[in-house]
Amino acid sequence: NAGVTQTPKFQVLKTGQSMTLQCAQDMNHEYMSWYRQDPGMGLRLIHYSVGAGITDQGEVPNGYNVSRSTTEDFPLRLLSAAPSQTSVYFCASSYSVIGDSYGYTFGSGTRLTVV
Amino acid sequence: GQQVMQIPQYQHVQEGEDFTTYCNSSTTLSNIQWYKQRPGGHPVFLIQLVKSGEVKKQKRLTFQFGEAKKNSSLHITATQTTDVGTYFCAGRKNSGYSTLTFGKGTMLLVSP
Repeated sequence: NAGVTQTPKFQVLKTGQSMTLQCAQDMNHEYMSWYRQDPGMGLRLIHYSVGAGITDQGEVPNGYNVSRSTTEDFPLRLLSAAPSQTSVYFCASSYSVIGDSYGYTFGSGTRLTVV
Repeated sequence: GQQVMQIPQYQHVQEGEDFTTYCNSSTTLSNIQWYKQRPGGHPVFLIQLVKSGEVKKQKRLTFQFGEAKKNSSLHITATQTTDVGTYFCAGRKNSGYSTLTFGKGTMLLVSP
């Protein structure tokens, strides 16, 4: 099993550009989510999904869109990149939506810089 | 909304010293999880605590969940350089399904 795969690992965007961060998991996990990590801010939830076709907003959803057409994939779209979106983005998944003894499995992250 | 506070933000110890990080929630939690993130890496799940007063051990790491299920701690005995990283707690509210709320983490630096 590959676990949670995120692409790309690094990306530089110009202000106003759009792009999609990819996330795929091969563990048949029900729950998938996107977090951003900024220095001193911990991990903040952007969007999450409890199953295919179901998504919801987290703590910091503005400027981001998500969709979940399959169990495996959960892409994150930046509509019009802004310097404030410079961050490290992590995709995380888990087997159960109510928590389980295996916790979240995180991808290796995407380091995004918006200039 | 729910807040999870973690202290200290940063701690620098000499190898062999003990280390403790504390996590406090503004609301009662259904469970709490702990993660470790090495420098430049991604968070890795360590453990989940569910029961009031629960204590779990993983080798030199001891995890506790408070009696009121609003606080938790991670204690490392005799730190090693391999313990370097940021330790996060993450809590889930005691109200059916809810997302995990992460603390801001405690960064541990261990000098040999």
